Amino acid sequence: AQSVAQPEDQVNVAEGNPLTVKCTYSVSGNPYLFWYVQYPNRGLQFLLKYITGDNLVKGSYGFEAEFNKSQTSFHLKKPSALVSDSALYFCAVREGSARQLTFGSGTQLTVLP
Amino acid sequence: GAGVSQSPSNKVTEKGKDVELRCDPISGHTALYWYRQSLGQGLEFLIYFQGNSAPDKSGLPSDRFSAERTGGSVSTLTIQRTQQEDSAVYLCASSLRQGNHEQYFGPGTRLTVT
Repeated sequence: AQSVAQPEDQVNVAEGNPLTVKCTYSVSGNPYLFWYVQYPNRGLQFLLKYITGDNLVKGSYGFEAEFNKSQTSFHLKKPSALVSDSALYFCAVREGSARQLTFGSGTQLTVLP
Repeated sequence: GAGVSQSPSNKVTEKGKDVELRCDPISGHTALYWYRQSLGQGLEFLIYFQGNSAPDKSGLPSDRFSAERTGGSVSTLTIQRTQQEDSAVYLCASSLRQGNHEQYFGPGTRLTVT
């Protein structure tokens, strides 16, 4: 079975500082990993994905994520946070044989001006 | 191009009534998914359609829930005899096909059962 954990319900960071939103996963095979962002009263927007290849994946809006197989993690990062990055972030995983994504419970990111 | 659209955006219904939620996927996307997002929780998978294959209904919480996809495009999620615990945001997503392709989500339908 596939599962994903986002250990932090809430992350606060000052504007201009680097941000990290944590995600760990569990699959029986090779993982396909995704990050989505949800702004208030809107659907989820795709940020980035890891399928294979380089462990550092770059995505939309300056976000990146690092796949770490030994730690089964896929943390989302951004070098310099913006107030407009404040939103709900979801990590998701799919193992090769599965049909659907399994989502984490979400992390609310608040960037303080 | 146009994204995934869902209607209605909001639906308030009385307990015991049936509701239908509609999803129009991105043109050319063969895979379609329904999820439920309850307040303060993550997304719960409900059902998955891929082309003309039999749908994966493994996530449907009860036999009051059903979905169909006509002509490989538009999908309708039906909830019969709604209960208060059905109140949630219902999200539809589509992707180019099953596999590693990312899913594109619609804005959701907020269902409130009174």
